[in-house]
Amino acid sequence: GEDVEQSLFLSVREGDSSVINCTYTDSSSTYLYWYKQEPGAGLQLLTYIFSNMDMKQDQRLTVLLNKKDKHLSLRIADTQTGDSAIYFCAENPIYNQGGKLIFGQGTELSVKP
Amino acid sequence: SQTIHQWPATLVQPVGSPLSLECTVEGTSNPNLYWYRQAAGRGLQLLFYSVGIGQISSEVPQNLSASRPQDRQFILSSKKLLLSDSGFYLCAWSETQYEQYFGPGTRLTVT
Repeated sequence: GEDVEQSLFLSVREGDSSVINCTYTDSSSTYLYWYKQEPGAGLQLLTYIFSNMDMKQDQRLTVLLNKKDKHLSLRIADTQTGDSAIYFCAENPIYNQGGKLIFGQGTELSVKP
Repeated sequence: SQTIHQWPATLVQPVGSPLSLECTVEGTSNPNLYWYRQAAGRGLQLLFYSVGIGQISSEVPQNLSASRPQDRQFILSSKKLLLSDSGFYLCAWSETQYEQYFGPGTRLTVT
């Protein structure tokens, strides 16, 4: 079945790197996504990776994809207090009608000064 | 560029009252549109999606309904609200079967 799993909480110190992990179940997914949600706001698309890629880097963000293990990670370098938020990973199984995404439960990142 | 609007931003309604939440998208044509609810926990529950005018698919049976009277307008309604309808309602759009873009959300409290 469809399932995306994430750990619920992560706490880091300002300036350290953060690594948020996600496992997914559907190998048919063509894209995998990372979203950020700040308190009281909607979800903001941070980045996404095509399933035939292993890595994608965008400024402080690095996405790693291990398709064999169905494991996705988001690394945030030099984490700042403004990075404190909930991070969701999501997949899009190709058989899902209407472009529906499957979201994880979100990882709450807390950055301590 | 594309933008998505939701209103109202917050709403407090008594049990049994009707509901109408509106979502509009600018800068795109024939988008896929989605309504999600995020309860007090954190998970996102997909309520409805639409691939075109008048085409609505419901994901879970519930007290809510959705309509798409225009290409870029998506409305979430209820005839009689329940306490369990409280939550954070998010609208999203996509142009293809790829990434979705979310609106700012509506916080609904049913009292």
